[in-house]
Amino acid sequence: EDQVTQSPEALRLQEGESSSLNCSYTVSGLRGLFWYRQDPGKGPEFLFTLYSAGEEKEKERLKATLTKKESFLHITAPKPEDSATYLCAVSTGNQFYFGTGTSLTVIP
Amino acid sequence: NAGVTQTPKFQVLKTGQSMTLQCAQDMNHEYMSWYRQDPGMGLRLIHYSVGAGITDQGEVPNGYNVSRSTTEDFPLRLLSAAPSQTSVYFCASRPGRVRSPLHFGNGTRLTVT
Repeated sequence: EDQVTQSPEALRLQEGESSSLNCSYTVSGLRGLFWYRQDPGKGPEFLFTLYSAGEEKEKERLKATLTKKESFLHITAPKPEDSATYLCAVSTGNQFYFGTGTSLTVIP
Repeated sequence: NAGVTQTPKFQVLKTGQSMTLQCAQDMNHEYMSWYRQDPGMGLRLIHYSVGAGITDQGEVPNGYNVSRSTTEDFPLRLLSAAPSQTSVYFCASRPGRVRSPLHFGNGTRLTVT
């Protein structure tokens, strides 16, 4: 069964305190792994796509990495504006499977 | 570009009523889809379409109908609303390439009493 699990469910960080979010997956025929950011009352906003093990992508304070079983979203020196829910999704082509997300709060 | 537009933003229905959630995109995307988001459950795929005239079921299709008569529009119909359909509904689209990311609308919050 295709499945995506994210941890932790919630994370509180002091401003400047770096950490990592985890996304583990079991899926047949991975076509891509996607990270999204979701703010309250909004739709998910695309951040990164990763296609193969060993791949890395960076954007400002965020860096996403991928292995054969999991992906990490590293947040370096976060700011309060990074507070949001971060969603991981995998695609098998026409179907996407989402994790339940990590709710990140960055305290000034 | 407006991207993916969903209407209405909020809706309250009584059990047994029917309604249509609207979704339109102006990016000429071939693929469109509907998700529901419930606390602790994540986003779950309801139906999707890979082009005009082609639709298929996702993970949780029961109680919902879709059709795709144009590239731009992909409405979701609730035939007889039930309290279990209380949720936030998101429409998402992407280009035809299967490795492309989804682009989401801002959702419709539906409450069924």
